[in-house]
Amino acid sequence: AQSVAQPEDQVNVAEGNPLTVKCTYSVSGNPYLFWYVQYPNRGLQFLLKYITGDNLVKGSYGFEAEFNKSQTSFHLKKPSALVSDSALYFCAVRPYNQGGKLIFGQGTELSVKP
Amino acid sequence: KAGVTQTPRYLIKTRGQQVTLSCSPISGHRSVSWYQQTPGQGLQFLFEYFSETQRNKGNFPGRFSGRQFSNSRSEMNVSTLELGDSALYLCASSLVVGTSGGNNEQFFGPGTRLTVL
Repeated sequence: AQSVAQPEDQVNVAEGNPLTVKCTYSVSGNPYLFWYVQYPNRGLQFLLKYITGDNLVKGSYGFEAEFNKSQTSFHLKKPSALVSDSALYFCAVRPYNQGGKLIFGQGTELSVKP
Repeated sequence: KAGVTQTPRYLIKTRGQQVTLSCSPISGHRSVSWYQQTPGQGLQFLFEYFSETQRNKGNFPGRFSGRQFSNSRSEMNVSTLELGDSALYLCASSLVVGTSGGNNEQFFGPGTRLTVL
């Protein structure tokens, strides 16, 4: 079965410290991988995507993600967290040959404290 | 460019009623997908429309249906509402997506919050 796992329901980080939000996936074929962020009472905002090529992908707002094929992981990272980064983060995979369908992880609540 | 718009933003219905939600994609986007978001089940794919044709469907009962118009606007309909249908319904649009899925990211609207009493 195709799936995405975000093993941490919540991640707590102090402002200025690096942050990592973890994601692993299970899908047949070469995956397209995405990260989205959701602020309260808002829709999802696109952060970044991995299609092919360089395993380190840079995205919006200083976020980046590292694709690791052998570990089937796509962890989201940021060198220095901001309080305004506090939000719900979703990892998603687009299975091959299923149109635009995205399979989402359960989400990780990121809390950045001053 | 205007983003994805969804109307209405909030809805309150009672069990047994039906509801129609509307989504206008970003100009030029021809693919529209719908997702249901609940605290228990998370984000689940409902269906996708491209060029007025449903090209993919998630695991939802037949009470959930949708359509797409020639201008790419889309509607979804839920008939015989149940309490469990209370959720945030999100619409997303993207550029042309091939059968392989493509690498185009989806842009999401703010959602319609449906409450079933």
